[in-house]
Amino acid sequence: SQTIHQWPATLVQPVGSPLSLECTVEGTSNPNLYWYRQAAGRGLQLLFYSVGIGQISSEVPQNLSASRPQDRQFILSSKKLLLSDSGFYLCAWTGVGQGTFGYTFGSGTRLTVV
Amino acid sequence: KQEVTQIPAALSVPEGENLVLNCSFTDSAIYNLQWFRQDPGKGLTSLLLIQSSQREQTSGRLNASLDKSSGRSTLYIAASQPGDSATYLCVPTAGGTSYGKLTFGQGTILTVHP
Repeated sequence: SQTIHQWPATLVQPVGSPLSLECTVEGTSNPNLYWYRQAAGRGLQLLFYSVGIGQISSEVPQNLSASRPQDRQFILSSKKLLLSDSGFYLCAWTGVGQGTFGYTFGSGTRLTVV
Repeated sequence: KQEVTQIPAALSVPEGENLVLNCSFTDSAIYNLQWFRQDPGKGLTSLLLIQSSQREQTSGRLNASLDKSSGRSTLYIAASQPGDSATYLCVPTAGGTSYGKLTFGQGTILTVHP
């Protein structure tokens, strides 16, 4: 069965520090991968998605970047965090062409920038 | 641009009641629609996935219906339990030129009292 792992679960970082959040998927190949952010009391916002290794699409301009160095690995990064980067970050995957096209989300990372 | 509205925004009920959560979306060109639940501080758990060609899906005490042409979906929860307390999200997946894009509303916050 397919599983999605996301870490760390919680992170407190000072303003100006770097960030690296990792997401990996098991039990499938060539997944579509996504990074979402949920600000306090608000809905989910799509940040990045990837349809293959090295292919990254950005939905909104921001202080963050994403990379996909391997088929089932998706990394969210920042060189210098801002207070406004605080939020709940969720990774998700879906298998396009596998019939169901359902999305599966990871357990999330709570990021607090102080 | 797809917009999702969920009614009610919040619902507080005693245990055992049958519940109806409503969802409306503005663009009927969807590929499918998923209902998720989100527990506080947690990721999203998929409850039901309805393909655009389907009218309903059932899983245990949950039943979701879809009227794609009118842009409506309804989640029925039978014999509610305290463990059902969570935020419920109705999430259509875009078809057409926005293929695969998810749109999130604010959700329905459900509290079931013992």
